[in-house]
Amino acid sequence: GAVVSQHPSWVICKSGTSVKIECRSLDFQATTMFWYRQFPKQSLMLMATSNEGSKATYEQGVEKDKFLINHASLTLSTLTVTSAHPEDSSFYICSARLYGTAMNTEAFFGQGTRLTVV
Amino acid sequence: GQQVMQIPQYQHVQEGEDFTTYCNSSTTLSNIQWYKQRPGGHPVFLIQLVKSGEVKKQKRLTFQFGEAKKNSSLHITATQTTDVGTYFCTIRGYGQNFVFGPGTRLSVLP
Repeated sequence: GAVVSQHPSWVICKSGTSVKIECRSLDFQATTMFWYRQFPKQSLMLMATSNEGSKATYEQGVEKDKFLINHASLTLSTLTVTSAHPEDSSFYICSARLYGTAMNTEAFFGQGTRLTVV
Repeated sequence: GQQVMQIPQYQHVQEGEDFTTYCNSSTTLSNIQWYKQRPGGHPVFLIQLVKSGEVKKQKRLTFQFGEAKKNSSLHITATQTTDVGTYFCTIRGYGQNFVFGPGTRLSVLP
């Protein structure tokens, strides 16, 4: 299957600093990528939909100025957590579908990034 | 927005016992997908169901889509320790995204 690579797999940062997470589709093009957040023992909650060449679409309650998303190419989307605080500590996961496929195809997930803000 | 319920939330079984998780939606679904997430890992696609009443099998796993396309189930026969993880059903939300159910966390005691 298609491969989505997410980096870093874990990061520890100080409160008030920013952290950038990268999501790459290695062997396919993805016009749309999705960013999820997962708190311990909870389900995945969609944060935003990242669209190549245009602004991201954020879910209700997600601060777009805090979670900056850039999708500059068909194979790369980045999520930057700005001015991170301990409550932002979570597991962040990106996913993508194959470009040009129907919307009911499977999603491929990155390995996830475990962010700890101290 | 679109929501899907999933039960049970947790299930502890002895190795060799069967396991079933159920997914329910208040609306008719075009399709439903199932994912498995191992502890510390990311979701991995298991299967997609599209047709009313569809039943698909993958070795010890049996997936079923309800006749009304509002519910689905995943049944594991004779669980093994490798089955440990959280099983999520997902449905298509508004736009192109997936909406995840709350998941069923399976523990298998050896």
